[in-house]
Amino acid sequence: DIQMTQSPSSLSASVGDRVTITCRASQTLSNYLNWYQQKPGKGPKLLIYAASSLQSGVPSRFSGSGSGTDFTLTISSLQPEDFATYYCQQTYRNPKTFGQGTTVEIK
Amino acid sequence: QVQLQESGPGLVKPSETLSLTCTVSGGSITSYYWSWIRQYPGKGLEWIGEIYYSGNTYYNPSLNSRVTISVDMSKNQFSLKLSSVTAADTAVYFCARVKGGFLFMDVWGKGTTVTVSS
Repeated sequence: DIQMTQSPSSLSASVGDRVTITCRASQTLSNYLNWYQQKPGKGPKLLIYAASSLQSGVPSRFSGSGSGTDFTLTISSLQPEDFATYYCQQTYRNPKTFGQGTTVEIK
Repeated sequence: QVQLQESGPGLVKPSETLSLTCTVSGGSITSYYWSWIRQYPGKGLEWIGEIYYSGNTYYNPSLNSRVTISVDMSKNQFSLKLSSVTAADTAVYFCARVKGGFLFMDVWGKGTTVTVSS
């Protein structure tokens, strides 16, 4: 299985901050890497697919970059509704696997 | 707007079979892959498997011998069966639509909690 490692596991930030979350894969994914946001009691919401493509309806403050084994999710200016847990997922090879999640908390 | 809704028993006894259904509304089940994912109480997400509307299936090898995913196009539903469950199968189960060549999950259900206990 392809192992996905996110860092950090959690972070504290203030509204307006620039936030960066990293995801590293145990083998190359090309750009088969997606990012999801999850809030308590809800299913994950797709933010970014194919490493850098913004899902329709997602604010442009979210962006993704990277290819191969190293990927980044950036929130350019953190908003109150962005406090949540973020997961990366590889869909390059079955079984599809997720990172362990990064929780963004209010400082 | 496509919506997904999971349904099924919230409590299953050890060694029995967990059965869940995902109903697709607002769109057709054809021309997509459909997936089951679960989330453990510690928040980790595990891909269980997926099915193409034509019936082709792909399962997580860690569950391969216990899992069956099927589709019912007449009802616009797909289903999950997981046999011989143990307490380790206690989780929130999500269904999701899988889209595009990159196979990302663009629509998710709200999830249903399944507890395995006698």
